[in-house]
Amino acid sequence: DVKVTQSSRYLVKRTGEKVFLECVQDMDHENMFWYRQDPGLGLRLIYFSYDVKMKEKGDIPEGYSVSREKKERFSLILESASTNQTSMYLCASKQGDGELFFGEGSRLTVL
Amino acid sequence: AQSVTQPDIHITVSEGASLELRCNYSYGATPYLFWYVQSPGQGLQLLLKYFSGDTLVQGIKGFEAELKRSQSSFNLRKPSVHWSDAAEYFCAVEPNNDYKLSFGAGTTVTVRA
Repeated sequence: DVKVTQSSRYLVKRTGEKVFLECVQDMDHENMFWYRQDPGLGLRLIYFSYDVKMKEKGDIPEGYSVSREKKERFSLILESASTNQTSMYLCASKQGDGELFFGEGSRLTVL
Repeated sequence: AQSVTQPDIHITVSEGASLELRCNYSYGATPYLFWYVQSPGQGLQLLLKYFSGDTLVQGIKGFEAELKRSQSSFNLRKPSVHWSDAAEYFCAVEPNNDYKLSFGAGTTVTVRA
């Protein structure tokens, strides 16, 4: 069964902390994505990657960075967490025009 | 500007009644179109997708969607809802030759007994 795994389901961090959200997919997909989900706003694309070491900004990249050192792993980094980054973060992967597969999400609270 | 809109934030429907969720898109050419469902505490699951061909698309769990190019709409329907259909539903679009999906704000469906 295909799987996108996000390492942390729930995190609580303090303002100014550096936060790492990890995502691993086992489908050998080229494309990986990070979205954030907020009530009333749906899913908004933060960053995506179409190959190892390649990344492109999505619609809301400010305050975030990403790393893709291996094909199966795509990390989202909050260099200095702020309260307005409290949200649900969803990782996803796909191959070409295929289906987008999602992880179960990481709920981050920044105090 | 390119966009995808779900006009209804919340819909309440009785079990056994029909359901229709609206989705409108604004793109130059008809994009690829998707409907996803997110049950409480769960990840997003693909219900159905349209790439080309027949404008009436069948999906899982008894859902279907119809593309109407003249109205730039891709509405999701189910003839008889079950209590397990209570969830949040997202319409998404992928412009041609672009692997990124853009999502609507979502519609929450409540099913009453």
